Parts: sequence; C-alpha cells; structure tokens
Amino acid sequence: VQLLESGGGLVQPGGSLRLSCAASGFIFSNYAMTWVRQAPGKGLEWVSSISGSGDDTDYADSVKGRFTISRDNSKNTLYLQMSSLRAEDTALYYCAKLRAAIGTYFDYWGQGTLVTVSS
Amino acid sequence: QSLLTQPPSASGTPGQRVTISCSGSTSNVGTNSVHWYQQIPGTAPKLLMYSNNQRPSGVPDRFSGSKSGTSASLAISGLQSEDEADYYCATWDDSLNGYVFGPGTEVTVL
Repeated sequence: VQLLESGGGLVQPGGSLRLSCAASGFIFSNYAMTWVRQAPGKGLEWVSSISGSGDDTDYADSVKGRFTISRDNSKNTLYLQMSSLRAEDTALYYCAKLRAAIGTYFDYWGQGTLVTVSS
Repeated sequence: QSLLTQPPSASGTPGQRVTISCSGSTSNVGTNSVHWYQQIPGTAPKLLMYSNNQRPSGVPDRFSGSKSGTSASLAISGLQSEDEADYYCATWDDSLNGYVFGPGTEVTVL
C-alpha cells in the first residue's frame, strides 16, 4: 500500500487549496479513506472521511461547510478541497486508508503534505 | 479540547513496563473499539494496535492493549529505546458522528 499526498503550499487567509492523495497497492474503491491533520507541534485531528463509493462523507465540525472530500475511483485518487482557509488550518495533512468502512481504523498512512495559511 | 484523555507523558528505563491510559465516555470508548497509533518524531503515524487489543503484523508482542468500560490502555513491556514516540488513542464517536483522537502521550526512555 502506498499513499502519496500532494497539493500543499502557502495560501492566504480566505483562500482555497485542493489536496490530492494518490493510492496504490490495493483496490481503492473497496475502502473508505480519510484525511487527518496535525498542526505544528500539536496532536492528530480527524478532518473528514469518505466511503469507498463516495456516497457517504463525514466532516469534523471545525471544517464543515468549508472543506469537501471527494474521490475518483477511476484514478485511485482522494481529494480534499479546502476553501475559506484560516490560520488555524495550518497543518500537515495526512491521508489514510481505512480498514473497511467509515468507523473502522486507519491501517495505512501517507507521509503528509504541508498547508500553511498566512498573509 | 479532546473528548479523550491521555497523560501528556510517560517514561521508563529500558526493560521496564509503561502503561498509557485513554479515558472517554459512553459515546466513544464505551461503545466503540479503541485503536492506538505510534508516531516517531518527524514521521507519519503508524497503526500500533486495533480493536482494543489486536496487533497488526510486525508489531512486537511487548505491546498490548485492553479496554474496560469507558477506558482503554496501552502497555509496553520490556521498554526499548526505539519505543520513544508519541502514542495516540482513537475511536469513533457516535454523538459527533466522527473520529476522535486523544491528545497524545509522549513516551521517553530514560
């Protein structure tokens, strides 16, 4: 299993950014996926999860209405569209594979992509 | 403020046993399985224990997990220098309809 995040960078407050996570080594459409973030020097925070089909999504209250999780099973890729970004969204964003459906554990993690929100 | 409580730090000398607690409520730990992740500084988290007490392939058997009621714990027996890391408990919360992580426990090998 390999998970490779990309798309991070420096963005101004109020701006937008789209993260991608390219997956390989497993049947992507069979598994739910998730985004977890870690602010500098802080702990892990769950951001969002999506079912294998893409029909079901869940979001942390801190990002609800601003972030959108999606997936393209034909491209084995997970996305996180982030808008109305705030300084407190600055973090290393990890994508992770779930063992099965939403609610199960994260069995593989990527290396993360850094998002910095600053003027 | 996390819904799960963990001690901020734990330590021991090589060979000692260290235990990390994870306390929650009926909507999370009391109802759902607890999982543990190990994060060595500068690296991505790694699954260490799943479904309360199950070790993934490759995780040494000196790591063990348990759960009772609204509390769970991770024990490291025979502590080794490579066990220096941050340890996070996590579970699903039925009230939030989302995952919750504990604040993490930094384990130091003295």
